Amino acid sequence: QKEVEQNSGPLSVPEGAIASLNCTYSDRGSQSFFWYRQYSGKSPELIMSIYSNGDKEDGRFTAQLNKASQYVSLLIRDSQPSDSATYLCAVNIKSPNAGGTSYGKLTFGQGTILTVHP
Amino acid sequence: SAVISQKPSRDICQRGTSLTIQCQVDSQVTMMFWYRQQPGQSLTLIATANQGSEATYESGFVIDKFPISRPNLTFSTLTVSNMSPEDSSIYLCSVVTGVGTGYTFGSGTRLTVV
Repeated sequence: QKEVEQNSGPLSVPEGAIASLNCTYSDRGSQSFFWYRQYSGKSPELIMSIYSNGDKEDGRFTAQLNKASQYVSLLIRDSQPSDSATYLCAVNIKSPNAGGTSYGKLTFGQGTILTVHP
Repeated sequence: SAVISQKPSRDICQRGTSLTIQCQVDSQVTMMFWYRQQPGQSLTLIATANQGSEATYESGFVIDKFPISRPNLTFSTLTVSNMSPEDSSIYLCSVVTGVGTGYTFGSGTRLTVV
C-alpha cells in the first residue's frame, strides 16, 4: 500500500463545475496535510493546509479532512481553465506545535492531473 | 513565507560528472529538504538537511551519490555525483518557516544527463 494515494486521473471538468480531488494516507500518526498545485515546468505551490478534522475553506478551494477514515480531499468550486494543473496531496506525521505547523518530512501522492475545459 | 533562490535552473551534463545545486533562503530555517521529481512522477524526498549535523537520507538514497552541505541556516547544496541518464530529473529544495505557511519550494533545477 502506498503511503499517500490520490484518485486516479486525469480528471477533466467543464468550466464552472466543481472539481473533486481525493487522497488517502496509510499512517494514522499523520498530523498535517497539504494540497499543492504544480503547473507544467514549475515547482509546487501550496494552496491549502489542514490540520484538524472537518472543512477548511479559502476562496474557491475547500479542503476536507477525516482522520478516522484517513482521507483528505480538495474541492475546487467554479473551476477555471487556469486551474488546469497537477494537484499533489502531501502528508507528514510529525505532530504540529501549538501554532499548527509541522516540521517533519512530506510524503507526496502521485498527483492528479486536472484539466478544466471551456 | 520564505523566498528560496535555487540555481542553476537547468543544466545538461555528461555522464560520469557531478553537479552541485544551491539553495539560498531569505530567512533562517532549521530544516531544509531536498526532493527529486522524475519525469511524469511525483516528488520523492532525497534527504533532510539540518545545520550543523549530517543530512538524513531516505531509503534508496546514499550520501556518496547525493552529498549535501548545510553550512548555515540559510544555505544548502546538493551534489549529484557520477551522474547517469537515470539521474535526469528535477531537483527541488524545500523549507518550512512558520505558522500556517506550509512548505515552500525552490524553483527547481532541471537536470539532463547525456
